[in-house]
Amino acid sequence: GDSVTQMEGPVTLSEEAFLTINCTYTATGYPSLFWYVQYPGEGLQLLLKATKADDKGSNKGFEATYRKETTSFHLEKGSVQVSDSAVYFCALRPTGNQFYFGTGTSLTVIP
Amino acid sequence: DTAVSQTPKYLVTQMGNDKSIKCEQNLGHDTMYWYKQDSKKFLKIMFSYNNKELIINETVPNRFSPKSPDKAHLNLHINSLELGDSAVYFCASSGRAGRWETQYFGPGTRLLVL
Repeated sequence: GDSVTQMEGPVTLSEEAFLTINCTYTATGYPSLFWYVQYPGEGLQLLLKATKADDKGSNKGFEATYRKETTSFHLEKGSVQVSDSAVYFCALRPTGNQFYFGTGTSLTVIP
Repeated sequence: DTAVSQTPKYLVTQMGNDKSIKCEQNLGHDTMYWYKQDSKKFLKIMFSYNNKELIINETVPNRFSPKSPDKAHLNLHINSLELGDSAVYFCASSGRAGRWETQYFGPGTRLLVL
């Protein structure tokens, strides 16, 4: 069935370090892929998305590329800030109404 | 203008009680969801309604009963609360334009059962 496997956390980085959070998926057809971010005490909000192979989603300095050949959608940021500390969720939406979420990766950025 | 709102934000109650959580969205979406997030941040789908019709009903104790009076509202009623029900419950909605539509989440309801 459809599923998302996400890199386990927690991840701790120093400010200005490079971030990669790995995400791979299993799905039939051509799902859309998403990254959501959850700041402490808040709900999830969309960070970026990609709807077809080779699409790159980007927002707030974060990027992820939809790689069909490796079934991956890794999240990257070149220089993290303290304000990026949050939990990050990879998700996919095949056809239909259901979304499949990864287990979440907690990121802490220290000054 | 809050897109997806939930009430209450916090709910502290005793075991055995019955409680309800309400959700409203003003985005004109057809589909609404309830998720449970545990202390490890794992997000589990519970239910989904599309135009007031139940379309996703995951393995959830039947003490949990969703109700959708109209497509802008989805409520969650929980009977005979147990300690293990303590979690954050999120409501979400999405449009039906296609698989590229994202979900919009509410701020969550933090339920603590004592």
